[in-house]
Amino acid sequence: GAGVSQSPSNKVTEKGKDVELRCDPISGHTALYWYRQSLGQGLEFLIYFQGNSAPDKSGLPSDRFSAERTGGSVSTLTIQRTQQEDSAVYLCASSLAWDRGFETQYFGPGTRLLVL
Amino acid sequence: AQSVTQPDIHITVSEGASLELRCNYSYGATPYLFWYVQSPGQGLQLLLKYFSGDTLVQGIKGFEAEFKRSQSSFNLRKPSVHWSDAAEYFCAVAPANQAGTALIFGKGTTLSVSS
Repeated sequence: GAGVSQSPSNKVTEKGKDVELRCDPISGHTALYWYRQSLGQGLEFLIYFQGNSAPDKSGLPSDRFSAERTGGSVSTLTIQRTQQEDSAVYLCASSLAWDRGFETQYFGPGTRLLVL
Repeated sequence: AQSVTQPDIHITVSEGASLELRCNYSYGATPYLFWYVQSPGQGLQLLLKYFSGDTLVQGIKGFEAEFKRSQSSFNLRKPSVHWSDAAEYFCAVAPANQAGTALIFGKGTTLSVSS
């Protein structure tokens, strides 16, 4: 079946612009995660959605970052007033519901963001 | 704080030789443990995972990992490396029996395979 998809695959923007990154999880997966992969920092958790519960935003680095998940499926990560330090690969992952115990996270190919 | 350490940033192995990638974790209790692989331009693919039970775990592509509680380690091994194994490898942990928790990753080990 189809895996996690993300768009765009690459995004180049100017400092100060807003960007939106999209994630389509695997069908039937109710949990969705955003991670950021940057040089020197490795992979960092950003935000987590599970069903209709309030998202866990504990990993968002600043209030310029926000995410939403519409209809329990597609998610959009928005970065406002981008800075050069936001340049990174943004990875999305999804998994089955947590009420079944720990579920493996499946990752998309990522969006490579470059802020000039 | 929870952390994952992958001591080797870059390893080069000859094709056909054996491989061991090291992973150590710092956690209050035994966590769930994972190894992921990332090929250039690709997302992360799960190689194997340990939740409980047998401490030697078999994964895809001929990989295995051994959980050693006394050493807080979860090292990844492969008896004979193929050129296609060249990639970046990430060890990750998640707290056991805790719903809705993100993975904590090590900084990764880049594997190069020489002919």
